[in-house]
Amino acid sequence: QKEVEQDPGPLSVPEGAIVSLNCTYSNSAFQYFMWYRQYSRKGPELLMYTYSSGNKEDGRFTAQVDKSSKYISLFIRDSQPSDSATYLCAMSASSNTGKLIFGQGTTLQVKP
Amino acid sequence: NAGVMQNPRHLVRRRGQEARLRCSPMKGHSHVYWYRQLPEEGLKFMVYLQKENIIDESGMPKERFSAEFPKEGPSILRIQQVVRGDSAAYFCASSPAYRSYNEQFFGPGTRLTVL
Repeated sequence: QKEVEQDPGPLSVPEGAIVSLNCTYSNSAFQYFMWYRQYSRKGPELLMYTYSSGNKEDGRFTAQVDKSSKYISLFIRDSQPSDSATYLCAMSASSNTGKLIFGQGTTLQVKP
Repeated sequence: NAGVMQNPRHLVRRRGQEARLRCSPMKGHSHVYWYRQLPEEGLKFMVYLQKENIIDESGMPKERFSAEFPKEGPSILRIQQVVRGDSAAYFCASSPAYRSYNEQFFGPGTRLTVL
């Protein structure tokens, strides 16, 4: 079993839709949770960084962490065609190990 | 402020040759991380380095792979005697010493193709 599971998709939605992206994990030691966006043939770009459980909002993006269920989510409101990319969740047990564990990534397509 | 720089962006090698991948971290960043991304897979951690020190190499294959981050110059990921299974995208990331090491900024990657 992988430490971090993420549905690869692809996920296709119409412009303006609310998008929900999810990851589950098995290691209860994970405390730091990140979401990265990766455009085709580019490097990952850090979108959201959260610690422990709870919600964090940044513009159209909301990250949610439920440690009791070992489940994290990224919501995108008012999705745009420019949001079309692969979204990767990443996790870490500590703030100073530098070792991120990534999910496989979910490919999102937002249709105009 | 320039981002993380990697070169070359594309590298083609024949089986048995050596591949050298270079990474210049963002200005002011002293921590460097290397990840490998195989087709249809997420990124896999390989190694974490600080200047002149390897901190964690738990993700590095035991043979043929090595990494360094010298006092001067870029970090180098070296793959000796490449095989077709080494074909992948290799990403470098960096972080500053004064922030969480989890806030990593990635470069554009080097795509290695082994013929």
